[in-house]
Amino acid sequence: AQTVTQSQPEMSVQEAETVTLSCTYDTSESDYYLFWYKQPPSRQMILVIRQEAYKQQNATENRFSVNFQKAAKSFSLKISDSQLGDAAMYFCAYRRGAGGTSYGKLTFGQGTILTVHP
Amino acid sequence: SAVISQKPSRDICQRGTSLTIQCQVDSQVTMMFWYRQQPGQSLTLIATANQGSEATYESGFVIDKFPISRPNLTFSTLTVSNMSPEDSSIYLCSAYKSVGSYGYTFGSGTRLTVV
Repeated sequence: AQTVTQSQPEMSVQEAETVTLSCTYDTSESDYYLFWYKQPPSRQMILVIRQEAYKQQNATENRFSVNFQKAAKSFSLKISDSQLGDAAMYFCAYRRGAGGTSYGKLTFGQGTILTVHP
Repeated sequence: SAVISQKPSRDICQRGTSLTIQCQVDSQVTMMFWYRQQPGQSLTLIATANQGSEATYESGFVIDKFPISRPNLTFSTLTVSNMSPEDSSIYLCSAYKSVGSYGYTFGSGTRLTVV
């Protein structure tokens, strides 16, 4: 079974600084997708960024970028120019590729609480 | 992306009773899922809601306790049956539309407290 591990229960960053959240995963699949979700106190899950395993180029979305190391099974999220609105719980998630009985299911890491200090 | 309306947003229930949570999606989706989340913790998948057939449950979750319906491609319900205080949690639904998107949409969650 796939597992996703976030080893940092909490992280903090100063406003305008950069922070990196770590995520590792374990899978025997070659086709899969990785995601970072943000969950503010409102409970709404917000997609931050996604990465297809077959793509070598790291995904970026404005101030958010990932460092995808497929061989090491590592998928870290870098937040640049941190803003107060970035404060939330961040979840790393894994989804296998097409087909199979577990198709479509997301496996989540334990989450990292990010605090942004003004 | 799809938008999900999840109701109720919160409820306080007596032990031994049942609560049904509804999720309505604004467009047809391929798959729908139900998760449980303890405050401050990760999401645990309860089951995959299958349109027109019985849901597929994850280990540790059974149909008698968490019956799920999905009568069409836009609607699903989760019932938490014979509740005990241990069922106090946040329940979220999620929808996945495989065509045109790799993303998932989540409902805003139902905070359930059993007293």
